[in-house]
Amino acid sequence: GAGVSQTPSNKVTEKGKYVELRCDPISGHTALYWYRQSLGQGPEFLIYFQGTGAADDSGLPNDRFFAVRPEGSVSTLKIQRTERGDSAVYLCASSLTGSGANVLTFGAGSRLTVL
Amino acid sequence: GQQLNQSPQSMFIQEGEDVSMNCTSSSIFNTWLWYKQDPGEGPVLLIALYKAGELTSNGRLTAQFGITRKDSFLNISASIPSDVGIYFCAGQLFAGANNLFFGTGTRLTVIP
Repeated sequence: GAGVSQTPSNKVTEKGKYVELRCDPISGHTALYWYRQSLGQGPEFLIYFQGTGAADDSGLPNDRFFAVRPEGSVSTLKIQRTERGDSAVYLCASSLTGSGANVLTFGAGSRLTVL
Repeated sequence: GQQLNQSPQSMFIQEGEDVSMNCTSSSIFNTWLWYKQDPGEGPVLLIALYKAGELTSNGRLTAQFGITRKDSFLNISASIPSDVGIYFCAGQLFAGANNLFFGTGTRLTVIP
């Protein structure tokens, strides 16, 4: 597609529920990143995919967070047993190659609210 | 994670004025970047800086990579209403690093 597409744009859930957030990167972009942006803060790195594999998941806060990219294109960020502190905007970004984190194109984000 | 301190946190300026904001860190960065984020959108890259001392322009925007590699500034000349938004600095610790560290942002309001 023309840009990075993220769905849903808004998600409201209850504490303890499971959530999936989807990212459709720019066609042909092999590198895909997830960031989390809390209110009033800058984005924080979560995980980086090169192709189908998670090359760096050092930013995932705990084992309730997991992400997949089974065919090297669309990625899904999965959050189990959501907590109120998980409320944030989850941003996805992609780039042509893993040539560095600086040439990223970000999506508009998925705003998650955990009640 | 790395702490990038941006100042000021927010600015209110008259249309036509020049703006200056900066970003400092206790760590040395290999690359400095400046992004702009509009409400409900993701950050958009404005300028990337790759060498200490480098001064780069993009239209009315000028950014510099500090000599110590621990700071950067962004200037906007002759501000216009569409400059409104949140400006983030971001740093890459080393070439090829997978992640960027972002500052807390400077919120710019331009009064017509």
